[in-house]
Amino acid sequence: KQEVTQIPAALSVPEGENLVLNCSFTDSAIYNLQWFRQDPGKGLTSLLLIQSSQREQTSGRLNASLDKSSGRSTLYIAASQPGDSATYLCAVRAFVGPSQGGSEKLVFGKGMKLTVNP
Amino acid sequence: SAVISQKPSRDICQRGTSLTIQCQVDSQVTMMFWYRQQPGQSLTLIATANQGSEATYESGFVIDKFPISRPNLTFSTLTVSNMSPEDSSIYLCSVATRATDTQYFGPGTRLTVL
Repeated sequence: KQEVTQIPAALSVPEGENLVLNCSFTDSAIYNLQWFRQDPGKGLTSLLLIQSSQREQTSGRLNASLDKSSGRSTLYIAASQPGDSATYLCAVRAFVGPSQGGSEKLVFGKGMKLTVNP
Repeated sequence: SAVISQKPSRDICQRGTSLTIQCQVDSQVTMMFWYRQQPGQSLTLIATANQGSEATYESGFVIDKFPISRPNLTFSTLTVSNMSPEDSSIYLCSVATRATDTQYFGPGTRLTVL
């Protein structure tokens, strides 16, 4: 069964810190991994997509890495700002077995709530 | 990227009534999905909306409760039927062109059932 875990569930830091957000998944047979940001009461904004054949992707102050064999991904946020405050979700696209519907789908973690204090 | 709009953005409904949520995409997409996010929880896939045929529902979700239409490649509706307070959630439309592509999400519809 594919499960995605994000620890810790919440993090509060002062402005300017470099941050590492962790994501782990139980089955390495994934198509890709995607990081999202969600502001309170809003939809999801896609931040980065890493294909299973890739090791990392970068966008501005964000860098995401993928170690498929160990079932881990990290999202690195450089020089954090109060505007980075949001919930960050990790999701893997994988084929899941009958217990999870028997089809290819995105499996989400529960998210990590980040607060960056000015 | 795909730009997705949803209507309504929020609603407060009475128990026993139904609400239809619309999802419009600015480009033709192959894959269209509906998710539910209950308060404080992550996202749960309700169903995959298939153009011109019945939606594919996930375990725990049925067509009578969540009928879905997808008449073309840019539009879909989700109806939440015979609502109860347990249906209070954010409902999100999501699209992707291919399985290997980025999956995009709409702004969500926040539903409160009294």
